[in-house]
Amino acid sequence: KQEVTQIPAALSVPEGENLVLNCSFTDSAIYNLQWFRQDPGKGLTSLLLIQSSQREQTSGRLNASLDKSSGRSTLYIAASQPGDSATYLCAASPTGFQKLVFGTGTRLLVSP
Amino acid sequence: GAGVSQSPRYKVAKRGQDVALRCDPISGHVSLFWYQQALGQGPEFLTYFQNEAQLDKSGLPSDRFFAERPEGSVSTLKIQRTQQEDSAVYLCASSLEGSTEAFFGQGTRLTVV
Repeated sequence: KQEVTQIPAALSVPEGENLVLNCSFTDSAIYNLQWFRQDPGKGLTSLLLIQSSQREQTSGRLNASLDKSSGRSTLYIAASQPGDSATYLCAASPTGFQKLVFGTGTRLLVSP
Repeated sequence: GAGVSQSPRYKVAKRGQDVALRCDPISGHVSLFWYQQALGQGPEFLTYFQNEAQLDKSGLPSDRFFAERPEGSVSTLKIQRTQQEDSAVYLCASSLEGSTEAFFGQGTRLTVV
């Protein structure tokens, strides 16, 4: 059974810092791994999707990496801004299943 | 529509009441998913449709939960005889055929009192 863990559970940084969010998964048999952002009371916004054959994806200030062999993914946020404050969720798509298995998220607060 | 639409946004139900939650997926999206998100937790998979066929319902927590998508578009998640532990945000997502990139709605927050 696929299990996804995210650390840290919460992170508070001053504006401008570069930061890394971590995600680990127990089963390397995945189609892809996705990173989402969730604002309070809102749904999920997809940030980046990394296919199992890829090692990283970039979008603006965001960079996500995937290491299937070690069961890890990281989300790197450069030059953080207060608008980046949200909960960040990673989700693995297990091979053979049409569903996502989510971690519990990292709550990020970026202070001005 | 432009995105996945869910209604109602908020629902308060008395314990024992039946509720129905609606999801209108992105036009043309064949796959539809329901997830349950308890407070402070990540979403957990409930069920998956491909068109009108319910292909996976392994995440439904009990036989009080029932989902349907009769015409392969709009879906309804029904919870019978609601209990306090059913209080959560219910998220719907849709995706194109063959894609696991899911697009989520804003969710329905269900509170059972």
